[in-house]
Amino acid sequence: QKEVEQNSGPLSVPEGAIASLNCTYSDRGSQSFFWYRQYSGKSPELIMSIYSNGDKEDGRFTAQLNKASQYVSLLIRDSQPSDSATYLCAVTQGDMRFGAGTRLTVKP
Amino acid sequence: DAMVIQNPRYQVTQFGKPVTLSCSQTLNHNVMYWYQQKSSQAPKLLFHYYDKDFNNEADTPDNFQSRRPNTSFCFLDIRSPGLGDAAMYLCATSSVGGNQPQHFGDGTRLSIL
Repeated sequence: QKEVEQNSGPLSVPEGAIASLNCTYSDRGSQSFFWYRQYSGKSPELIMSIYSNGDKEDGRFTAQLNKASQYVSLLIRDSQPSDSATYLCAVTQGDMRFGAGTRLTVKP
Repeated sequence: DAMVIQNPRYQVTQFGKPVTLSCSQTLNHNVMYWYQQKSSQAPKLLFHYYDKDFNNEADTPDNFQSRRPNTSFCFLDIRSPGLGDAAMYLCATSSVGGNQPQHFGDGTRLSIL
């Protein structure tokens, strides 16, 4: 069983739409949750962290965490072509474990 | 700006020829990590240092070694690279506490001829 699962995509949304990225994890004891953005050929860049149930907003990004359902999501409002990248979900309970990422394409 | 720096950005080596990748950080973080990432895959943790304490992942090949001479620097040595070792190698750091985010360098893309 994979520890952190993401839909690999590609997810394609038009410019200005909301992009919704989902992640599930298997370790119920996981405590910290992160979203990283990775452009092609580049390294992961931290864009959101969330530690407790509920929503956390930062600009156009909202992270949502539901520990009971072992589910974390990332919403990107007013999507821009520059948001086109692979988004990695990462979960920690001691070590950090990454999902394989969801590739997002925002079409102008 | 505080950051994680990896050198070189691109490394080409021959099959079986040892290669060393370097990572330095100005964040003064206690923990440094090395990951291997292949195309369309999640980063795979190879090992990490908690200060000078070395922690090897169970499935990291013996071919891969690491050194951390001081807080700022960490090296990845690949003793006899095979074609399957071609990948992006990512260095990351974090402060003390397993639940802290990790901060990545720009990576080194390794090609094997």
